[in-house]
Amino acid sequence: GEDVEQSLFLSVREGDSSVINCTYTDSSSTYLYWYKQEPGAGLQLLTYIFSNMDMKQDQRLTVLLNKKDKHLSLRIADTQTGDSAIYFCAESSGSARQLTFGSGTQLTVLP
Amino acid sequence: ETGVTQTPRHLVMGMTNKKSLKCEQHLGHNAMYWYKQSAKKPLELMFVYSLEERVENNSVPSRFSPECPNSSHLFLHLHTLQPEDSALYLCASSQDLANEAFFGQGTRLTVV
Repeated sequence: GEDVEQSLFLSVREGDSSVINCTYTDSSSTYLYWYKQEPGAGLQLLTYIFSNMDMKQDQRLTVLLNKKDKHLSLRIADTQTGDSAIYFCAESSGSARQLTFGSGTQLTVLP
Repeated sequence: ETGVTQTPRHLVMGMTNKKSLKCEQHLGHNAMYWYKQSAKKPLELMFVYSLEERVENNSVPSRFSPECPNSSHLFLHLHTLQPEDSALYLCASSQDLANEAFFGQGTRLTVV
């Protein structure tokens, strides 16, 4: 089946930039998403990018897509303690356009 | 608050019990989903409903039985579960199958 991979952990200092990386295998992916999950909560859609775009910026968030390498990244500028959470990369494809998720990256922001 | 509400938030059940998880959305969405989130594993898509019809069933054991009585409600009926079924069960909805999904808070299920 299709696969989405992320590194499991990332630690950054408050005020630094965080970059969370994701690779996927499905070349027919149409949308790629970043979700955030805080402890005890469901997944919150942060941003998404259509597969014909290279970059999307939304306030502190920048999404970069390298379609050739099937690589997606999420950059969080000026990372705050409230950004500590698990970040999931997901791609949308298939007849039902279901989401395939990575295992999530646990972001820890150190003071 | 995403507009997708799941109840209960926490559930402990024995292996011989029957229980149901409920999901409700008033976003006017046409598609609803059940996902299972286990520790250190990718989110697993269990079921997909579009316009109240099941369009996807990803090899889920029959001890999980979904029901979609209308486009606003989705249930997951549980019976004779195993301890390894303990997980966070997430419901999501989207406008249509091709649109981004909005998730509920999840139900933390523990099978004892």
